[in-house]
Amino acid sequence: GQNIDQPTEMTATEGAIVQINCTYQTSGFNGLFWYQQHAGEAPTFLSYNVLDGLEEKGRFSSFLSRSKGYSYLLLKELQMKDSASYLCAVLDSNYQLIWGAGTKLIIKP
Amino acid sequence: DTAVSQTPKYLVTQMGNDKSIKCEQNLGHDTMYWYKQDSKKFLKIMFSYNNKELIINETVPNRFSPKSPDKAHLNLHINSLELGDSAVYFCASSQDPRGTRTNEQFFGPGTRLTVL
Repeated sequence: GQNIDQPTEMTATEGAIVQINCTYQTSGFNGLFWYQQHAGEAPTFLSYNVLDGLEEKGRFSSFLSRSKGYSYLLLKELQMKDSASYLCAVLDSNYQLIWGAGTKLIIKP
Repeated sequence: DTAVSQTPKYLVTQMGNDKSIKCEQNLGHDTMYWYKQDSKKFLKIMFSYNNKELIINETVPNRFSPKSPDKAHLNLHINSLELGDSAVYFCASSQDPRGTRTNEQFFGPGTRLTVL
């Protein structure tokens, strides 16, 4: 079967750095996405990785290792508004997005 | 200016009723999707349409049926509603995922369905 694993919940301090991990086992791979979802709102796109390595976009970076079936989302200089759920999703060989259950990130002052 | 819109935002109804949720996108995308997000926040794909053809049809009950009058619209019809149908339903759209490099999905605001 297809599986996406990420921690259920994480807590971090304002101004700090946090890394949210995602491991996947899917039938084929056509890219990995990270989305942010605030409570009561729709998911919004953060990043896309299809090649190994680090993609940086402002305070957010996303890393991919295809051989390990592993990705992480790195958030720097955390702000209170970063409190949200972070969803990892993989595009499989049928171009279907397989979603993880999301990691709820709690930021404390 | 809204990229992906869906109506209604809230829907409260009785068991056994039939209801519809509408979705429209003005992004010129080729593919539209319907997702169900339950109380555990897990996003589950229900359907996707590409150029008016159903290309994914997950094992959802046949009480759920998507209707796409044109490329910009994908409506969701639900017959004989059950308590377990209560969830948030999201519509989304993207370029054809088989064609472009970064084919992120754009989501509508969601419809919170409550079945009593």
